Amino acid sequence: QKEVEQNSGPLSVPEGAIASLNCTYSDRGSQSFFWYRQYSGKSPELIMFIYSNGDKEDGRFTAQLNKASQYVSLLIRDSQPSDSATYLCAVKRGGSQGNLIFGKGTKLSVKP
Amino acid sequence: NAGVTQTPKFQVLKTGQSMTLQCAQDMNHNSMYWYRQDPGMGLRLIYYSASEGTTDKGEVPNGYNVSRLNKREFSLRLESAAPSQTSVYFCASSESWLAGNTIYFGEGSWLTVV
Repeated sequence: QKEVEQNSGPLSVPEGAIASLNCTYSDRGSQSFFWYRQYSGKSPELIMFIYSNGDKEDGRFTAQLNKASQYVSLLIRDSQPSDSATYLCAVKRGGSQGNLIFGKGTKLSVKP
Repeated sequence: NAGVTQTPKFQVLKTGQSMTLQCAQDMNHNSMYWYRQDPGMGLRLIYYSASEGTTDKGEVPNGYNVSRLNKREFSLRLESAAPSQTSVYFCASSESWLAGNTIYFGEGSWLTVV
């Protein structure tokens, strides 16, 4: 089992809809969870991070974490064509293993 | 505020040539990283430096060496480039190595080995 798994997509949603991006992870010791957005030809940029079970909202973005199910998701409300990008889920282990483990990303396309 | 700066942005190498990718950050971060990104493989950690004076191997270190020159700078060297090293390389930094610290990326270096 890969450490961080994401559906590669592409996920296509109409403008104004809710886009739901999902990620599962295998290491139960993971402590921090990040969502990065990457436009084609650009570097990853941080959207949100979440540490505790439950929801965390920031504008149109909501991150959801369920440690029991080892599942983290990102909801994008009122999706815009400018949200079209690849979304990377990243998990940071605790203890001495502090580096980020990335999923392969989900490509999101928002159609006008 | 420049953040994380990488040079060069684009490079073409012949098999067997050597080169060094340079990276500098101006955020006074303690930890720095080198990742590579390949289609279908995602971002993979090559080497990292948890703090000035230390370096450690990541997931895919073979064929690379690194130097943490000072707190600001972390370079990646390819001693004898191979076509398998054709990739996009990202340098990154974070305040510390501890879990929970956000990693910030440079703009990337596109390397082609022919």
